[in-house]
Amino acid sequence: DSGVTQTPKHLITATGQRVTLRCSPRSGDLSVYWYQQSLDQGLQFLIQYYNGEERAKGNILERFSAQQFPDLHSELNLSSLELGDSALYFCASSVAMGGGRSSYNEQFFGPGTRLTVL
Amino acid sequence: AQSVAQPEDQVNVAEGNPLTVKCTYSVSGNPYLFWYVQYPNRGLQFLLKYITGDNLVKGSYGFEAEFNKSQTSFHLKKPSALVSDSALYFCAVRDYGGATNKLIFGTGTLLAVQP
Repeated sequence: DSGVTQTPKHLITATGQRVTLRCSPRSGDLSVYWYQQSLDQGLQFLIQYYNGEERAKGNILERFSAQQFPDLHSELNLSSLELGDSALYFCASSVAMGGGRSSYNEQFFGPGTRLTVL
Repeated sequence: AQSVAQPEDQVNVAEGNPLTVKCTYSVSGNPYLFWYVQYPNRGLQFLLKYITGDNLVKGSYGFEAEFNKSQTSFHLKKPSALVSDSALYFCAVRDYGGATNKLIFGTGTLLAVQP
């Protein structure tokens, strides 16, 4: 158990709908990362938050948004869902923000949320 | 841009034999390299990392990896494979630029250990 929790584990919804995925980082971790794992795109970085502020953006669609709350949990919002958004969405956390050799800490991943869009 | 490549989609090995899962990297600057493992219906688990120092890095579950700068490789190894090692293995590199630790992953290698 990594200490990172994600809810729900599974989500089945229809095209055009909106869903929210939730992540609670390990105790003491300030950074939260979201990744998407799909068959055609592999494992891709979406977005990072550090202590409530956005720090980095990857290949995240405009239909997707995220935030990190004062208690450090994070939510990933996916709207106007399409069939191609079906994937496994992972949250990871680490202590540090990043950017320097001495500040790196490995990321610990949650179990993921499997999203199926029908 | 930073990237890692895992040239093998699948590696088959008999239980008790040594295993190697290959990874090559392309980075500007000194690389931060990682191996993660994904078991079915589970999240990614951290195995080991190379930041600096000794080229042979030891990690969890008896795995180790050898950093080779001249060959730009970071292969994952284990002296004696177990059936329970069967899983999907990902090599990753930390991206540079800005204040972030985001990871760039390879495509993954499925390790199948036969009893």
